[in-house]
Amino acid sequence: SQQGEEDPQALSIQEGENATMNCSYKTSINNLQWYRQNSGRGLVHLILIRSNEREKHSGRLRVTLDTSKKSSSLLITASRAADTASYFCALETSGSRLTFGEGTQLTVNP
Amino acid sequence: EAGVAQSPRYKIIEKRQSVAFWCNPISGHATLYWYQQILGQGPKLLIQFQNNGVVDDSQLPKDRFSAERLKGVDSTLKIQPAKLEDSAVYLCASSLGGTGDFAAFFGQGTRLTVV
Repeated sequence: SQQGEEDPQALSIQEGENATMNCSYKTSINNLQWYRQNSGRGLVHLILIRSNEREKHSGRLRVTLDTSKKSSSLLITASRAADTASYFCALETSGSRLTFGEGTQLTVNP
Repeated sequence: EAGVAQSPRYKIIEKRQSVAFWCNPISGHATLYWYQQILGQGPKLLIQFQNNGVVDDSQLPKDRFSAERLKGVDSTLKIQPAKLEDSAVYLCASSLGGTGDFAAFFGQGTRLTVV
């Protein structure tokens, strides 16, 4: 399979807490990307980590990549109600092919 | 910079009818993707273009789905005839593509309901 698998499928936390989502995969990748999708809307790119990188930060987002374990994690710190959305990992493989997992539904309670 | 434009936003058709979706990617983006997203699932890649050539259409149901990207700019995705299970959101995305690591930018999607 050339798509990632996110874990957990659903996550519910309180505002101010940290949220961690994981993505595992089986294929070789050029990079791994995380996207957010609010209900009924298109997907928004959050962060991209290259296959030769181990960690990357963007604002309240921290992404790690372990190519030996073929896994990645997305950490959202100090979560807000506005972070409530579905989060998808996407694998870019040869030829810029971009495939998505089934996502993690994050609910941040005020 | 203008984003990825898709139309229509919503479409309701009866089974066995045909339907077409249109996508205008971000100017200068060589790679264009069409995805099908069924409610509660992740986007499934249907077809990928690099300029006006098809890179990957391995998951496109070719007996009923077709897509083209004339002149390497905008693209249309057609379903003929539609089935009930085609009810989904059809997402178009574009990226700079080629060698390098580039994010994909998505349109708002077309929500198709087949009754």
